[in-house]
Amino acid sequence: AQSVTQPDIHITVSEGASLELRCNYSYGATPYLFWYVQSPGQGLQLLLKYFSGDTLVQGIKGFEAEFKRSQSSFNLRKPSVHWSDAAEYFCATSGAGSYQLTFGKGTKLSVIP
Amino acid sequence: SAVISQKPSRDICQRGTSLTIQCQVDSQVTMMFWYRQQPGQSLTLIATANQGSEATYESGFVIDKFPISRPNLTFSTLTVSNMSPEDSSIYLCSVGDRGDTEAFFGQGTRLTVV
Repeated sequence: AQSVTQPDIHITVSEGASLELRCNYSYGATPYLFWYVQSPGQGLQLLLKYFSGDTLVQGIKGFEAEFKRSQSSFNLRKPSVHWSDAAEYFCATSGAGSYQLTFGKGTKLSVIP
Repeated sequence: SAVISQKPSRDICQRGTSLTIQCQVDSQVTMMFWYRQQPGQSLTLIATANQGSEATYESGFVIDKFPISRPNLTFSTLTVSNMSPEDSSIYLCSVGDRGDTEAFFGQGTRLTVV
């Protein structure tokens, strides 16, 4: 069965600092991997996705993620955080060609001025 | 990409009553799903809505509590029956179709049961 682990429940960073959110997955084959962001009272917005090819994936809002098969990880990074990045971030996985997602528990990001 | 409209966006309901949530997509899609997000929690898949047949429920979810309809390829409903405060959650509709590399989500329905 697929599973996703986000070890950090809550992270606080200063505005302008770099950010890395951790995600580990468990899946037998090559998974499809996603990062979503959910702002308070909002729906889910896709930041980026990986399903094949270059293991460094660029997304929207200046985010990137790197797929590391050897570590079963898909960590999300941003070089300089903005106050508007404060939100809940979810890592998710699905099988190839499946739209049924398994989500991690999420990481809440707080940004301090 | 599909545009998904969910109604209502939020509601406050009395315990013991039922609420039906609608999910309308602007194009025909193969797959439709319903998720639940309890307060402070992640998203959990409730079921896959199958067009023209009974929904496929995940472990821990049953049809009597969460009946689902999908009369065509653009529309589905989820009913939360005999509600209790524990049903207070955000319910999200998600869709995917052949050729897409991602699923798309509606804005969600925020349900509060009092």
